[in-house]
Amino acid sequence: QQQVKQSPQSLIVQKGGISIINCAYENTAFDYFPWYQQFPGKGPALLIAIRPDVSEKKEGRFTISFNKSAKQFSLHIMDSQPGDSATYFCAASKVPVSRLTFGEGTQLTVNP
Amino acid sequence: GAGVSQTPSNKVTEKGKYVELRCDPISGHTALYWYRQSLGQGPEFLIYFQGTGAADDSGLPNDRFFAVRPEGSVSTLKIQRTERGDSAVYLCASSLYGSYNSPLHFGNGTRLTVT
Repeated sequence: QQQVKQSPQSLIVQKGGISIINCAYENTAFDYFPWYQQFPGKGPALLIAIRPDVSEKKEGRFTISFNKSAKQFSLHIMDSQPGDSATYFCAASKVPVSRLTFGEGTQLTVNP
Repeated sequence: GAGVSQTPSNKVTEKGKYVELRCDPISGHTALYWYRQSLGQGPEFLIYFQGTGAADDSGLPNDRFFAVRPEGSVSTLKIQRTERGDSAVYLCASSLYGSYNSPLHFGNGTRLTVT
């Protein structure tokens, strides 16, 4: 009930393309869904987050789509850039956040 | 501004030894978290402090792992009788309270290698 499943494990896109990463969760008590970006040797950094009372949230080139009935959410990166090459983690938690449950990660490579 | 600081950045120890990993959270953040990240995996929850007390330590894998936060600021993760399987990056994070509007801020981690 605590798992968050993430796919794909790795993703290669061309510069300017759209990167899409998907996550599915099991625990219906989760009500906070952040995405983190991690570069090698660095800690994860919050990219964007959503609560289940909205179906979509957009910040710049990054959009979260949320489907409560399917218990799925996804990250879309528009106009992908080589600087976006990193590992992306979805996560889920109840609020207040006592423990985030992370997905397995997606290694994104954006080719110039 | 200053972020979450973790020291040391790297620690190599021999199997069976004791290690301490330190975390300095963002000033004023009441919530502090420890996670462990193995190679190619997502961070795995270990323990959560709200103030000085461990509000949730259910992620600690066994009694060799212990963490303290005596004054509600700096925290130390302690690992006794280290095993090779303990090798991982240990991440610390802090947040203002743990609310939706106060996300977790992670440090860069301590890479622990047990030989």
